[in-house]
Amino acid sequence: GQNIDQPTEMTATEGAIVQINCTYQTSGFNGLFWYQQHAGEAPTFLSYNVLDGLEEKGRFSSFLSRSKGYSYLLLKELQMKDSASYLCAVMDSNYQLIWGAGTKLIIKP
Amino acid sequence: SQTIHQWPATLVQPVGSPLSLECTVEGTSNPNLYWYRQAAGRGLQLLFYSVGIGQISSEVPQNLSASRPQDRQFILSSKKLLLSDSGFYLCAWTVKGQDTGELFFGEGSRLTVL
Repeated sequence: GQNIDQPTEMTATEGAIVQINCTYQTSGFNGLFWYQQHAGEAPTFLSYNVLDGLEEKGRFSSFLSRSKGYSYLLLKELQMKDSASYLCAVMDSNYQLIWGAGTKLIIKP
Repeated sequence: SQTIHQWPATLVQPVGSPLSLECTVEGTSNPNLYWYRQAAGRGLQLLFYSVGIGQISSEVPQNLSASRPQDRQFILSSKKLLLSDSGFYLCAWTVKGQDTGELFFGEGSRLTVL
């Protein structure tokens, strides 16, 4: 079966750095996505990785290793507004998105 | 610019009652359209997707149905709701042929079935 695993919840301190991991087992691979979802709101797109390596976008970076079935989202200089759930999703060989359950990130002052 | 709207935002319905959630996209044409459900502690579940008017693919057998009567309109319906239909419903669209497949979501509709 297809599976996306990410931690259920993480806590970090304002101004610090946090890394949210995602491991996947899917039938084929056509890219990995990270979305941010604030409580009660819709997800918004953060990043897309299809090749191995690191993609940087301001305070957020996303890394992919296809051979290991592994990705992480790195958030630097954490702000209170970064408190949200972070969803990892993989596009399989049929171009269907398989979603993880999300990681709830709690930022403490 | 493109926008997507869905409504109602919140609804509380009794078991056995009908359901209709509506979604419209503006500022684009011929989008791919999707209905997702998000249950607490679980990943987004794809319910239906559509590549064009009248073309609906169902991913999960259930008592829900979807229709696309116009290019930018997507409707989720049920004739008789079940308790298990409670959840957060999200409409989304993508641009056809886009490599990244980025999804743009509506605001969401929270359904509680009592």
